[in-house]
This record gives sequence, C-alpha cells and structure tokens, in this order.
Amino acid sequence: DAGVIQSPRHEVTEMGQEVTLRCKPISGHDYLFWYRQTMMRGLELLIYFNNNVPIDDSGMPEDRFSAKMPNASFSTLKIQPSEPRDSAVYFCASRVGGYYGYTFGSGTRLTVV
Amino acid sequence: AQTVTQSQPEMSVQEAETVTLSCTYDTSESDYYLFWYKQPPSRQMILVIRQEAYKQQNATENRFSVNFQKAAKSFSLKISDSQLGDAAMYFCAYMGGSNYKLTFGKGTLLTVNP
Repeated sequence: DAGVIQSPRHEVTEMGQEVTLRCKPISGHDYLFWYRQTMMRGLELLIYFNNNVPIDDSGMPEDRFSAKMPNASFSTLKIQPSEPRDSAVYFCASRVGGYYGYTFGSGTRLTVV
Repeated sequence: AQTVTQSQPEMSVQEAETVTLSCTYDTSESDYYLFWYKQPPSRQMILVIRQEAYKQQNATENRFSVNFQKAAKSFSLKISDSQLGDAAMYFCAYMGGSNYKLTFGKGTLLTVNP
C-alpha cells in the first residue's frame, strides 16, 4: 500500500497563474478530503468527497478554488488565478467509511510570489 | 460548530521523562471520536491515538495514552519515556457522529531535550 500520494511536493508559481494540485487516495477508501495548513489558521477543511461526489465544499475560500474527483483514484484541487495569500501546505487525505482517522498524503507546499 | 482548543502552543520535555499535552473541545453531540495526530518536520500527518466517546476506558498505544474526561470535554495526551523522535507538532482533532469531518486544534509544538 503506497499510501495517499500527492504531487507535486513543492510548487512555486507567480501570482495570477493557474495551479493544479493532485492526489491519489488509497485504493478502497471512499472518502477524500482536501485541507489547507497555514500558520495563522491552522488546518482547515476545504472540501470532501464521498464516492467521488462532493459532499461539503463550504470551506473553499473563494471561487478561485475548485476541486474535482473524476474517479475513485484521482482528485485535483485547482486555484485560478493564484494569489500570494494562497501560499500554504495543501493536504489530501482519504479514509474508509466508519469513524477512523484519516490517512494523509505528504502535502504540497505552495508558494505564490 | 465544534471547536478544539489546545492551550499550550509549545511544550518541552527531557528525554526519558513524561509530558502531557492538553486539549479541550466543545460539542453538543453525544457520539463522537477524538484523535491525536503527530506532525514531525517532514510535515507528514501521523495518527497517534484514537478514542471513542462512548468508551470510558482511556486508549493507549505503547508509550502514548490519553486521559479522556467526557464531562469536562477534555482529552489530554500523555507521552511516557519521551524520545528524541517524539519531537513534533501535535494536533488534537474531533470527529462528530453525524459526519466524517475532522476539526483540528491549532497544535502544540513539542521539543525533546537530550
């Protein structure tokens, strides 16, 4: 089991550019979560999916953010256009149903300059 | 909305000693789950321990144990025989019985001194 795989590990981009973060959940996990971590706000849930369907996107900060899960093995988080305040570590996590903790990916550190 | 509070931004402990990290939470739900996650400098989030609210017995995992006080809404983590590899940021997290969202506290940075 390779765990939750995120790419890229680091991303540096210029303000105004489009950024796409990628996630491959653990096979068989039917929930997928996107979190953002900053010093000021800590870990914030952006959106989560169940069986590829978005369930709650109330944490998505603005229309500039969008997330998709076209199939059970792949999800993307897109920011267009990016701004310096989007700089953060973005985590993807997955889990099976039931009240167990998540398995997190290693995160993508995004820097927008 | 549920909130999780970690009142200790930083803690330090001597190697081989015991340290306790505090966490309180606020909820109106009766069925929920609590977690402690560890985040070392590699930034990987690692599940340390899990507690079901309906269980009175405190969870333990090797050197890690919790003190769960449901009435007080308190969930502290005790690390015994601290090791240098325990140095990390520790996050307390809550998951309600009505959904699968994890709500995190702001974290406690633990330093282990040799």
